[in-house]
Amino acid sequence: GAGVSQSPSNKVTEKGKDVELRCDPISGHTALYWYRQRLGQGLEFLIYFQGNSAPDKSGLPSDRFSAERTGESVSTLTIQRTQQEDSAVYLCASSLALLAGGDRYFGPGTRLTVL
Amino acid sequence: DAKTTQPPSMDCAEGRAANLPCNHSTISGNEYVYWYRQIHSQGPQYIIHGLKNNETNEMASLIITEDRKSSTLILPHATLRDTAVYYCIVFAGGTSYGKLTFGQGTILTVHP
Repeated sequence: GAGVSQSPSNKVTEKGKDVELRCDPISGHTALYWYRQRLGQGLEFLIYFQGNSAPDKSGLPSDRFSAERTGESVSTLTIQRTQQEDSAVYLCASSLALLAGGDRYFGPGTRLTVL
Repeated sequence: DAKTTQPPSMDCAEGRAANLPCNHSTISGNEYVYWYRQIHSQGPQYIIHGLKNNETNEMASLIITEDRKSSTLILPHATLRDTAVYYCIVFAGGTSYGKLTFGQGTILTVHP
């Protein structure tokens, strides 16, 4: 079946602009996760959703970052007033339920470049 | 969650077993050991996890020491497609079960 998809695959923007990154999880997956990976670095957890609820937003780097999820499906990660340090690959994952850690299926990521 | 230590890189010949070590000396009793890998330009892929018993699946085996302070991921017959960054993660779940985080990992290079 279809995996996790993300769009756009690449995004180049100018400093100060807002961007929206989209994640389509696997159908039926109630849990959804956002990560960031800077060049040459490990994955940095940002936020997770259980259904439409995001119980813990403490992983978001600043108040310029926000995320929402509607209808237990699509999620969008919004970055306002982008800065050069926001340049990274943004990865989305989903799982059937909020399991301990396995069975997370990752999307291909969105590569964000802030000029 | 407990911190893990992995070698930054390892090499392995194609067809041989790849043994990737991970130290997690501060692991607590309710923390699992998870392994993921990330092939270049792709999202991470779940491999295997365990609590204290050794585990095996179609991808790999996980050997956890009796004191649980270290573990080894074994790819029994490495192929060129196994070249990737391998992440060892210890994770308790519970109220933090959304926050699975990844460190630097080990870059495994499988060569012909």
